[in-house]
Amino acid sequence: QSALTQPRSVSDSPGQSVTISCTGTSSDVGGSNYVSWYRQHPGKAPKLLIYDVTKRPSGVPDRFSGSKSGNTASLTISGLQAEDEADYYCCSYAGSYTWVFGGGTKLTVL
Amino acid sequence: EVQLEESGGGLVQPGRSLRLSCVASGFTFDDYAMHWLRQIPGKGLEWVSGINWNSASINYADSVRGRFTISRDNAKNSLYLQMNSLRTEDTALYYCAKGVSDAFDVWGQGTMVTVSS
Repeated sequence: QSALTQPRSVSDSPGQSVTISCTGTSSDVGGSNYVSWYRQHPGKAPKLLIYDVTKRPSGVPDRFSGSKSGNTASLTISGLQAEDEADYYCCSYAGSYTWVFGGGTKLTVL
Repeated sequence: EVQLEESGGGLVQPGRSLRLSCVASGFTFDDYAMHWLRQIPGKGLEWVSGINWNSASINYADSVRGRFTISRDNAKNSLYLQMNSLRTEDTALYYCAKGVSDAFDVWGQGTMVTVSS
């Protein structure tokens, strides 16, 4: 149950696009169709943005998109807005009814 | 409105026990898996334990296996986490979350557990 690897921080300007990567192994990200992404603002509970690698829950804007290639999943946020400044976490099903998270990425909107 | 409300956190000495509870409302509780997750203040998220709708599937993170026990009472719309042999490294904000398609779509606000002498 080793944590997935995310960049510690990313940044870009309003209106631009940013991609956050999430690297695991063939035992989790690479072998699973169940990768999810969460946004967490300071002092708040996490919010689900993406599930099943690419699906968005109702109410999540289509500015948020997910993808996967091999052992690496990615979250792309287009048309950056000030409210997107937050911590982002990836998570993957890791088999045998266990899940593993990434270490988190701090997104700064310049 | 779909809601989860955790309770039971507090200050406890190392080696002692604590039981967390989570009450659900606004959805059919026994249709869904439920999970406990935790977050050390200022740090990342960690999945702790999960239980499917009928308690037939249960598992734990390596860090808590053998010390923590998850359970649910569908008649009471409630999820529990019995935490024994607590360690200082178990200090964290504990969230309960509703499971959907192997993701966590609804989270409570969390209950803080502090393990310290």
